[in-house]
Amino acid sequence: AQKVTQAQTEISVVEKEDVTLDCVYETRDTTYYLFWYKQPPSGELVFLIRRNSFDEQNEISGRYSWNFQKSTSSFNFTITASQVVDSAVYFCALSFNQAGTALIFGKGTTLSVSS
Amino acid sequence: ETGVTQTPRHLVMGMTNKKSLKCEQHLGHNAMYWYKQSAKKPLELMFVYNFKEQTENNSVPSRFSPECPNSSHLFLHLHTLQPEDSALYLCASSQGGKPSELFFGSGTQLSVL
Repeated sequence: AQKVTQAQTEISVVEKEDVTLDCVYETRDTTYYLFWYKQPPSGELVFLIRRNSFDEQNEISGRYSWNFQKSTSSFNFTITASQVVDSAVYFCALSFNQAGTALIFGKGTTLSVSS
Repeated sequence: ETGVTQTPRHLVMGMTNKKSLKCEQHLGHNAMYWYKQSAKKPLELMFVYNFKEQTENNSVPSRFSPECPNSSHLFLHLHTLQPEDSALYLCASSQGGKPSELFFGSGTQLSVL
């Protein structure tokens, strides 16, 4: 079965704290893609990153970084020095190498950053 | 204009009403999707259209009827809905082919009374 688990339902931090959002996935496929999306209060989902199953190199983009570990089937997302504007729901998602197959989402983690 | 536009933003309807949700994408994509987002549940894929052809129907009840007249427009026709259908309905588009970035609209917040 294909499944994405985001065990953290809600996280609250104070500005400038670092925070890590966990994502664990299940799949029997050897080729797959992992995504993170951000959903701010406006409702629109915003793409953050895509990683394919053959690329385990960690990625850093500004204050955002992602740690992909196939050995533990995890694709965790870390925000460094969090800001109030980071408050949103963050979704991890999984997709496969088949034309037309859309994403399988986790339930999301609500991040609240207070000043 | 934003990439994916959904109207209306909010909709309240009775169980006997008929209404339609509209989605339009200005990105030149060839695949469009309807997702349902309920409180405390994962985003649920409802329908997928590739080049105007429906390629996926995720066991959605027949009271939801999609229509894709061209690759830029997607509708979701609603009739005799139930209160449990109240949710945020999100439209998305992508270039299709291999899994690629989905571009989402802001959604329609639907309340069924």
